[in-house]
Amino acid sequence: DTAVSQTPKYLVTQMGNDKSIKCEQNLGHDTMYWYKQDSKKFLKIMFSYNNKELIINETVPNRFSPKSPDKAHLNLHINSLELGDSAVYFCASSHPGPGLGELFFGEGSRLTVL
Amino acid sequence: DQQVKQNSPSLSVQEGRISILNCDYTNSMFDYFLWYKKYPAEGPTFLISISSIKDKNEDGRFTVFLNKSAKHLSLHIVPSQPGDSAVYFCAARDDKIIFGKGTRLHILP
Repeated sequence: DTAVSQTPKYLVTQMGNDKSIKCEQNLGHDTMYWYKQDSKKFLKIMFSYNNKELIINETVPNRFSPKSPDKAHLNLHINSLELGDSAVYFCASSHPGPGLGELFFGEGSRLTVL
Repeated sequence: DQQVKQNSPSLSVQEGRISILNCDYTNSMFDYFLWYKKYPAEGPTFLISISSIKDKNEDGRFTVFLNKSAKHLSLHIVPSQPGDSAVYFCAARDDKIIFGKGTRLHILP
């Protein structure tokens, strides 16, 4: 019974294409995130949504558009893919507020742009 | 501009010995520090955390130490076990959680 699930797990596509990665959490959390782990292994936050509202956008190019249809889902759509977009994208969720801030991650989606 | 730094990309430790993973940070506004563990082809999983008002937190074989004056924290695993072989990410929180690059820990038989 996966807590944070994301699909697809692997994605290989050509430059210029548009692709989406879906994420769902069944933990009842209010806050969801997208993180990117690039070739240098840094795990960097891209977006954060709280109850369907965008609260963090870390100067990500506007080719990346997150969409949260409800608080259990946060999808990532990427337009006009570039070679530098190749990375592992992790979805995560957490309870908001001044608490522990523990993130629960999905398994990651490895995107390869050729 | 790395606010959270893990300067050792990898570490090898004999099974049964102590593993010490280090982390340095630059932002004095961080109020919480966390360690995550990651196996290949899986997402990071939370391991242990410490508030900035404490200097030590222990959970079983895992202990995290925080030295605020040095802006340094460390994760001690004792005794080290084969299942501890993984990548360990140090993370810190201000209004978001910021991760280091990770340290790959190899536990040798």
